[in-house]
Amino acid sequence: KQEVTQIPAALSVPEGENLVLNCSFTDSAIYNLQWFRQDPGKGLTSLLLIQSSQREQTSGRLNASLDKSSGRSTLYIAASQPGDSATYLCAVTSPGTYKYIFGTGTRLKVLA
Amino acid sequence: DTGVSQDPRHKITKRGQNVTFRCDPISEHNRLYWYRQTLGQGPEFLTYFQNEAQLEKSRLLSDRFSAERPKGSFSTLEIQRTEQGDSAMYLCASSLGETDGKLFFGSGTQLSVL
Repeated sequence: KQEVTQIPAALSVPEGENLVLNCSFTDSAIYNLQWFRQDPGKGLTSLLLIQSSQREQTSGRLNASLDKSSGRSTLYIAASQPGDSATYLCAVTSPGTYKYIFGTGTRLKVLA
Repeated sequence: DTGVSQDPRHKITKRGQNVTFRCDPISEHNRLYWYRQTLGQGPEFLTYFQNEAQLEKSRLLSDRFSAERPKGSFSTLEIQRTEQGDSAMYLCASSLGETDGKLFFGSGTQLSVL
């Protein structure tokens, strides 16, 4: 049974800092992995999707990497801004099913 | 493209009542998902559809929950005989299908069972 873990649960950093969020999954046989952002009381917004054949994806100040063999993904945020404050969640899907299994998220606060 | 729409945004009900939520996915999206989220937790999978076919349903879902997607367009999620433990945010998402698994979420329906 696939399980997704995100550490730390919460993170507070000063503005301008580069930071890394971690996502671990127990079954390396994944189909793809997505990183999402969620603002309080809102739905989720997909940030980056990495297919199982890919090792990383980039969008603006965001870079996500995938290491299937070790069951890990990282989301790198460069030059963090107060507007980046949100909860970041990762989710994976496995071959044979299209359901996504989510981690519990990392609550990020960027201080001005 | 107006995104994924969910209705209502908020629902307050008394224990034992039935409730129904609606989700309108992005028009060309084949897959539609329902998730449930409680405070401080990640979304928990409930069920998903490929067009009108319900392909997978969580074992955590009791018989009080049912979902439909007639004609492969909008979907409804019904909860019968609601319990206080059903209080949560119910999220709908859709994706294009085979060639693109990117999920687009609606804003959710916040259910409070008194």
